Amino acid sequence: EVQLVESGGGLVQPGGSLRLSCAASGFSFSDYYMDWVRQAPGKGLEWVGRSRDKANGYTTEYAASVKGRFTISRDDSKNSLHVQMNSLKTEDTAVYYCVRGYQFDSWGQGTLVTVSS
Amino acid sequence: DIQMTQSPSSLSASVGDRVTISCRASQGIRNDLGWYQQKPGKAPKRLIYGASSLESGVPSRFSGSGSGTEFTLTISSLQPEDFATYYCLQHNSYPRTFGQGTKVEIK
Repeated sequence: EVQLVESGGGLVQPGGSLRLSCAASGFSFSDYYMDWVRQAPGKGLEWVGRSRDKANGYTTEYAASVKGRFTISRDDSKNSLHVQMNSLKTEDTAVYYCVRGYQFDSWGQGTLVTVSS
Repeated sequence: DIQMTQSPSSLSASVGDRVTISCRASQGIRNDLGWYQQKPGKAPKRLIYGASSLESGVPSRFSGSGSGTEFTLTISSLQPEDFATYYCLQHNSYPRTFGQGTKVEIK
């Protein structure tokens, strides 16, 4: 069974940093693209970014709203995905989901990030 | 960026009703589209992939159709557990973009 478990959320001040992690199990993590998607309270879904697999050079893509501030990385030896979030803004407040695959087939339960003073 | 325009934004329906939700892409995306169901406090769950393929384990009352720029999610006979918010997602080009969601409520 595919499992994706996010962690690392919490309260951070504007301008601060936070690192989220996603622990994956139940599938061959190294073979999959992995994404982050977020959802602000009471709002819709917003794609954040992607990590491609080793075969595609671990390259990344980002939404314009986070480019230059967020960095997605992965550790295939630990079946884990990360997003380092810097220069956080109040509008980054959201539940962050870890999502598997090119076609977004499996989602974690999410971790809440609150950016507030 | 490809804009995904989803309609309606909300609807009220009764158990047993046929429900149709539409998603229009601002440019052609072939069949690179999925439909997702989200219940309050839960993660989205994929229902349809490739615009028309039913996810394993998803009831057959859900179906998807369309290609190019016009897509439809149909629930043939609405059940109590189907009251939720539904989203379309295009994965044809970057950035990936979602429709704004359709909230299906009890009439």
